[in-house]
Amino acid sequence: DAKTTQPNSMESNEEEPVHLPCNHSTISGTDYIHWYRQLPSQGPEYVIHGLTSNVNNRMASLAIAEDRKSSTLILHRATLRDAAVYYCILRPLGGSNYKLTFGKGTLLTVNP
Amino acid sequence: KAGVTQTPRYLIKTRGQQVTLSCSPISGHRSVSWYQQTPGQGLQFLFEYFSETQRNKGNFPGRFSGRQFSNSRSEMNVSTLELGDSALYLCASSLGVGNTEAFFGQGTRLTVV
Repeated sequence: DAKTTQPNSMESNEEEPVHLPCNHSTISGTDYIHWYRQLPSQGPEYVIHGLTSNVNNRMASLAIAEDRKSSTLILHRATLRDAAVYYCILRPLGGSNYKLTFGKGTLLTVNP
Repeated sequence: KAGVTQTPRYLIKTRGQQVTLSCSPISGHRSVSWYQQTPGQGLQFLFEYFSETQRNKGNFPGRFSGRQFSNSRSEMNVSTLELGDSALYLCASSLGVGNTEAFFGQGTRLTVV
């Protein structure tokens, strides 16, 4: 499985933007970049995913480097409810391997 | 539509016993995956089923097993429980391809005493 590298922790202030980086230098051409987050005492929650182009949804934006070896999850205005562990995961498009391989993720702390 | 439902939410078992956990995926989802989460090891993949067939298995002993029924509901079983099996067990369902998201249940918190 292709590996991702994320900082162990990051801190932000409420109402400010947050940029969460992820390196995936061994990504293959058919790997989608997925982001999930896990709030305390809950199961992981899907945030966003993309292949090559930048993506936006109501929760966040995903900026993907041109060479696809890194990506950044952008929370435009952090709230206290965004405090969670954020996981960057590579998921192949096809084949029979649908599992998600979680790393340690980034623990995001949001200060009021 | 209803999300992924895991039952029970909490369970306390004694060493040596066995346990069965249940997962009902989102309607229409044919892929169900199971994960174990512990403070020390994080989220680890257990196994994944698609249309009643196990497609992938993680690095866990044979005491951990699972199955999927024709309605896509899945169960996982742990036999001869050990203290180290205490964990949050999470189930996720998806349509089954890389460009779709996985939806997780709230998990079953298993405590082995």
